[in-house]
Amino acid sequence: DAGVIQSPRHEVTEMGQEVTLRCKPISGHNSLFWYRQTMMRGLELLIYFNNNVPIDDSGMPEDRFSAKMPNASFSTLKIQPSEPRDSAVYFCASSSRDHYNEQFFGPGTRLTVL
Amino acid sequence: AQRVTQPEKLLSVFKGAPVELKCNYSYSGSPELFWYVQYSRQRLQLLLRHISRESIKGFTADLNKGETSFHLKKPFAQEEDSAMYYCALMGLKTNAGKSTFGDGTTLTVKP
Repeated sequence: DAGVIQSPRHEVTEMGQEVTLRCKPISGHNSLFWYRQTMMRGLELLIYFNNNVPIDDSGMPEDRFSAKMPNASFSTLKIQPSEPRDSAVYFCASSSRDHYNEQFFGPGTRLTVL
Repeated sequence: AQRVTQPEKLLSVFKGAPVELKCNYSYSGSPELFWYVQYSRQRLQLLLRHISRESIKGFTADLNKGETSFHLKKPFAQEEDSAMYYCALMGLKTNAGKSTFGDGTTLTVKP
C-alpha cells in the first residue's frame, strides 16, 4: 500500500478563491482525520470520519470550511472563500482498530493563500 | 474531556546528552498514549505506543498513571533525533480512534 495519499502537495492561491484538498486513506481503514498544522497552533484536529460518517467537526474553524467523505477511499476538505490566515499544512490521516488505532499520516498539503 | 500538555515548545540538547520530552495528560478513564515524530519535510509517523512497551530508536516512554505523565526519554541523544515530537492520547471509550495531540516539542540536538 502506498500509504495515505494527499493532493495537491502544494497549493498557492489568492484570497477569496476556493481551495479543495484531497485525501485517499489506506485501504481497509475505517477512520479518517483532517488536521491543520501551523507554527503558532501546532496540530489541530479539524474533523474526523468513522465509516464515512462525520463524527466530530467541532474543530472546523468556520463555515468557510467543509469536508466530505463520499466513500471509503476518498475525502475532500474545501475552503471557500480562502483567506491568508488559512495558510498552513493540512494533513490527512487514517486509522483502523486492526492496527491498534495508530494514525497513518499523509504527506500533507502546504497551502499558501496570498 | 481529554487533554494533552507538552510544556516545552522547544528543547535543545547536545549530542550524547540525555533527553526527556515531557507529556502530561488528563483523562478520566484508561488512556492509550502515543508518541509521534515528524522529521524535517516528512510526514508524522508513530514512534511508540505505551501498550507495546518497546524501545524505538533508543527512545522509551513509561506511562505513570499517578502523575498522569508519559514522558519520552533517550539516554544519549543523536543529531538525527532532531525533529518535532507530538504526544497523543486516545481514550479507550472512543470508538472511532480519535486521538488528542499535544502542541508538540521541537527537539534540536546540537553537535
